[in-house]
Amino acid sequence: DTGVSQDPRHKITKRGQNVTFRCDPISEHNRLYWYRQTLGQGPEFLTYFQNEAQLEKSRLLSDRFSAERPKGSFSTLEIQRTEQGDSAMYLCASSLNINTEAFFGQGTRLTVV
Amino acid sequence: QKEVEQDPGPLSVPEGAIVSLNCTYSNSAFQYFMWYRQYSRKGPELLMYTYSSGNKEDGRFTAQVDKSSKYISLFIRDSQPSDSATYLCAMVRFQGAQKLVFGQGTRLTINP
Repeated sequence: DTGVSQDPRHKITKRGQNVTFRCDPISEHNRLYWYRQTLGQGPEFLTYFQNEAQLEKSRLLSDRFSAERPKGSFSTLEIQRTEQGDSAMYLCASSLNINTEAFFGQGTRLTVV
Repeated sequence: QKEVEQDPGPLSVPEGAIVSLNCTYSNSAFQYFMWYRQYSRKGPELLMYTYSSGNKEDGRFTAQVDKSSKYISLFIRDSQPSDSATYLCAMVRFQGAQKLVFGQGTRLTINP
C-alpha cells in the first residue's frame, strides 16, 4: 500500500477521555500534516511536520491537543479530556517537499458522546 | 471573511452535462491551486494541481486559474454518476508554512 494510512478509521469515546490517532505517511514524504474537518466544511489546518520537527501549529490546536512525529516517520495526534466539540474527521496528509501536492489518508472519524 | 470562498451547493445536474465549479480567494499570496474530490466518509483525493494562470486539462477535467481576478474553476465534461461527490478547492502560499487553505466544498450530484 503506497498511500497515507490512518488508524483507527472510527473512534467513539466518552467526553473526558483521551484518544490517540496514528498516521503513516507515504514513504519518503518529508512533510506530514494534520487537518480537522467538520460536517459540511472544508478541512482546517491543525499542524505540520518537516521530518520530525513540528514547524507550525494552528490556533485551533488547543492545549489539549498534542502531535508527535518521532524519527520523522509515523505521527500521532492525541486529544486529552475530549469534548463534544472535538467530534470531527481528523485527516492526515503527506507531501514530498515544499512545493508538491499533498495526499490525504482516509481520515479518523471521532465521535465524542 | 474567509480567505477562500466556495459555493457549498448542492449542485445537481443530469448525466453528460458540463459541470462548472468555482472558488474565489482574497489573498494574492496564494500561488498553487488544487482541486480535491471527496466521497462521503472518505479522505480528499487530489484531482488537479496547477500553478500558472490559464488552463490545465486531464481527461474530462479542466482546471482554470485566473490570478488577476483571484478566481479558479474546475470543469467536468461528460459528467458521470460516479462523479457525484464533494469537490474542494485548496490553495497554498508560495512562502510560509505551506499549509493548504480549503474552500467549504461543493456537493455535486450527477443524475442518471
